Amino acid sequence: SYVLTQPPSVSVAPGKTARITCGGNNIGSKSVHWYQQKPGQAPVLVIYYDSDRPSGIPERFSGSNSGNTATLTISRVEAGDEADYYCQVWDSSSDHFVVFGGGTKLTVL
Amino acid sequence: QVQLVESGGGLVKPGGSLRLSCAASGFTFSDYYMSWIRQAPGKGLEWVSYISSSGSTIYYADSVKGRFTISRDNAKNSLYLQMNSLRAEDTAVYYCARPRGGQSWFDPWGQGTLVTVSS
Repeated sequence: SYVLTQPPSVSVAPGKTARITCGGNNIGSKSVHWYQQKPGQAPVLVIYYDSDRPSGIPERFSGSNSGNTATLTISRVEAGDEADYYCQVWDSSSDHFVVFGGGTKLTVL
Repeated sequence: QVQLVESGGGLVKPGGSLRLSCAASGFTFSDYYMSWIRQAPGKGLEWVSYISSSGSTIYYADSVKGRFTISRDNAKNSLYLQMNSLRAEDTAVYYCARPRGGQSWFDPWGQGTLVTVSS
């Protein structure tokens, strides 16, 4: 089955840029979606179709996808951005259909 | 606004059964696929099941196939997950979520309901 690989943790100082990667075999040929999950809360969609933002998500959140890596970029990081972030694809060739990455804990220093 | 509210979680012994419910509001429920996704304590997200808008098409993850049954009642704007032969590894928070973009991504998610399988 298709596997998505994320770094377990990323740390960034406030006001700087955080980049969270999501690796997968030829992931650039798939659509990647990203979710933010704060402690004790349900996941929230922050990016869909690689780089589109749902309404209400700040422009500081952006996404890209090419080759074997998709990236979620958070500019001008704020303390409130500290959360777990998950990438996700829909893989019609897999029995699982929906594949999530293992998640990345973003720590704001 | 679009809202999903799960209920029915609790403590159950291994081999037991539980039925989860998800009440939907703020959108035309019968127009959308729906899905269950779970998260074991301290772990990542795992997709469990999809059901089409009419209920005629259903998919399951291999880990629950043959034990879990997804269903819906469009007249009641409700989604269900019947869980049988429960195992310790089924312990998780179970979220209902609305698939979008051709069932590609999920938005929104409910707040989740905790299922604990333990003797």
